[in-house]
Amino acid sequence: DGGITQSPKYLFRKEGQNVTLSCEQNLNHDAMYWYRQDPGQGLRLIYYSQIVNDFQKGDIAEGYSVSREKKESFPLTVTSAQKNPTAFYLCASSIVGVGGQETYGYTFGSGTRLTVV
Amino acid sequence: LAKTTQPISMDSYEGQEVNITCSHNNIATNDYITWYQQFPSQGPRFIIQGYKTKVTNEVASLFIPADRKSSTLSLPRVSLSDTAVYYCLVGDMRGYGGSQGNLIFGKGTKLSVKP
Repeated sequence: DGGITQSPKYLFRKEGQNVTLSCEQNLNHDAMYWYRQDPGQGLRLIYYSQIVNDFQKGDIAEGYSVSREKKESFPLTVTSAQKNPTAFYLCASSIVGVGGQETYGYTFGSGTRLTVV
Repeated sequence: LAKTTQPISMDSYEGQEVNITCSHNNIATNDYITWYQQFPSQGPRFIIQGYKTKVTNEVASLFIPADRKSSTLSLPRVSLSDTAVYYCLVGDMRGYGGSQGNLIFGKGTKLSVKP
């Protein structure tokens, strides 16, 4: 089955440490995204990438870094510079500008809940 | 950017039809209207998408008036399992020029279905 996989589901990090969240998709989607969600809030865009080896900052990129070395993978590193990293992180993917599609939209992973201890 | 406004919360009972309206006064010509459903501790799930008039699938209907400044998600005969947060998203989902990076998820509408 095609889909998008995030791992791990739960992650604990000590203050001052970097941690990397994994996101892999086998949907052959060009674009991938990272969102952060805090309790009772909507999703806020951290980074997105439309093609390999290229990515753009979203609204809250400070303290985060990404890479896009492969089409299938878009890992997110939460660095020690992120002042309040405890949150629910969602990865998504989508097609880009393909004609003839019935719908366009995101496919989301199941999320990683990061807690700083 | 097409900002959306939708009710923070709604209550309903099992078996009723639920209509959630989203306002998007500055929708652009290339913008689509897309609705997502999110359960706690899960990623949002695509429900329905439309550009104009009415769209219906096995889960919901989407009504869009001619001026496209609002849209209404209709859920027929809801059940307890429809309790979730529903997001209205407006933007050019095709991704030209990085437009997908401009899409905004608001706080959504928290729907509570009671027995």
